[in-house]
Amino acid sequence: QSVLTQPPSVSGAPGQRVTISCTGSSSNFGANYDVHWYQRLPGTAPKLLIYSNNNRPSGVPDRFSGSKSGTSASLAITGLQAEDEADYYCQSYDTSLSAWVFGGGTKVTVL
Amino acid sequence: EVQLVQSGAEVKKAGESLKISCKGSAYSFSNYWIAWVRQMPGKGLQWMGIIYPGDSNPRYSPSFQGQVTISADTSINTAYLQWSSLKASDTAMYYCARRPGDYSNWFDSWGQGTLVTVSS
Repeated sequence: QSVLTQPPSVSGAPGQRVTISCTGSSSNFGANYDVHWYQRLPGTAPKLLIYSNNNRPSGVPDRFSGSKSGTSASLAITGLQAEDEADYYCQSYDTSLSAWVFGGGTKVTVL
Repeated sequence: EVQLVQSGAEVKKAGESLKISCKGSAYSFSNYWIAWVRQMPGKGLQWMGIIYPGDSNPRYSPSFQGQVTISADTSINTAYLQWSSLKASDTAMYYCARRPGDYSNWFDSWGQGTLVTVSS
């Protein structure tokens, strides 16, 4: 079981908005540690998508946005495109484990 | 452009030893933490451990402490992940990733991954 909990899958039609939730606890998000998001396209390495809750690295489209509140976080993809079909992982730091932790991953399917 | 280039795929037998590598370029290798992340077939990402090449002092996830050894050689800008006795359950893709700063708890650049296959 992952320390951060994500839904296994979400889907949407092209152009729609989808959101991916990530639930943490008092020892990670609740302890004021940020959430970060990664996209893993099929057959490729993970790529940083969002850091520190809602910041996009250079080159990441503004269709991707993140937020965090309390012990929960979410990633939103607006204007869903076929190229967004991938696995998405949330990540944070857990102070009780003294470890970097990931969510189990969410597969986004574009219908 | 920051790059992490990992060594190639490995096929091993249970009980054998293995050392895989991750070479950094286009940045000051000694001054950035390098983490190792495992992805077992069909599963999610698991943080294994992290090292600051500048002092070669690794930290391990409790799940991997004693199971692997993380090291670094700053003279050749390379970090390593090694096993002394592989198990079939070590079959996975292994990624190295750079932590961009002491107060940054994310990973901004990733290696391409090294697939390790262990047969029993």
